[in-house]
Amino acid sequence: DAGVIQSPRHEVTEMGQEVTLRCKPISGHNSLFWYRQTMMRGLELLIYFNNNVPIDDSGMPEDRFSAKMPNASFSTLKIQPSEPRDSAVYFCASSFGQRYGYTFGSGTRLTVV
Amino acid sequence: AQSVTQLGSHVSVSEGALVLLRCNYSSSVPPYLFWYVQYPNQGLQLLLKYTSAATLVKGINGFEAEFKKSETSFHLTKPSAHMRDAAEYFCAVTGGSNYKLTFGKGTLLTVNP
Repeated sequence: DAGVIQSPRHEVTEMGQEVTLRCKPISGHNSLFWYRQTMMRGLELLIYFNNNVPIDDSGMPEDRFSAKMPNASFSTLKIQPSEPRDSAVYFCASSFGQRYGYTFGSGTRLTVV
Repeated sequence: AQSVTQLGSHVSVSEGALVLLRCNYSSSVPPYLFWYVQYPNQGLQLLLKYTSAATLVKGINGFEAEFKKSETSFHLTKPSAHMRDAAEYFCAVTGGSNYKLTFGKGTLLTVNP
């Protein structure tokens, strides 16, 4: 298996622009998570999907953030409009059960200037 | 709620020396505990996990960890450090009906020649 695949690896955008991050989970995993990593706040859970349904989005910082999972093999995280404080590394992870742990993608490093 | 405390944001050892990274957790339900490693500009890789079987858990790259319920600890050790072990290490907890994987703030391991 190729693991969790995220794209793009790096994204530089101007403040106010829309940004879309993409994730392909591991086939057969029924849970998908989006995390954000910053120096100040560490790893924060943004949203959790189970069987393609959003279960908990309480970590999404603002209405500017939205996430979708139209099918079991694809998810997006969108920021519109983007702000400099959104600059971070965004990770997608998938799992088929909490006792097995999560498999993380390589992340998308977002820089908003 | 669950939480993780990693004692020491930065640990420095000499090559060949013992590695000890400390993790204490808080959980009202039997926990599942994990150690992840993050190399520069990469995602998080699972090192090892405790899921209520053996209390001494062996992982990849020669690392192991021991679950001690009485001390609410899950410290990570390796008998002899290698240069390639230099990375950031994260302890994480989940369990019960809580799908969320909660991370500690991480410990940066430096290995000196």
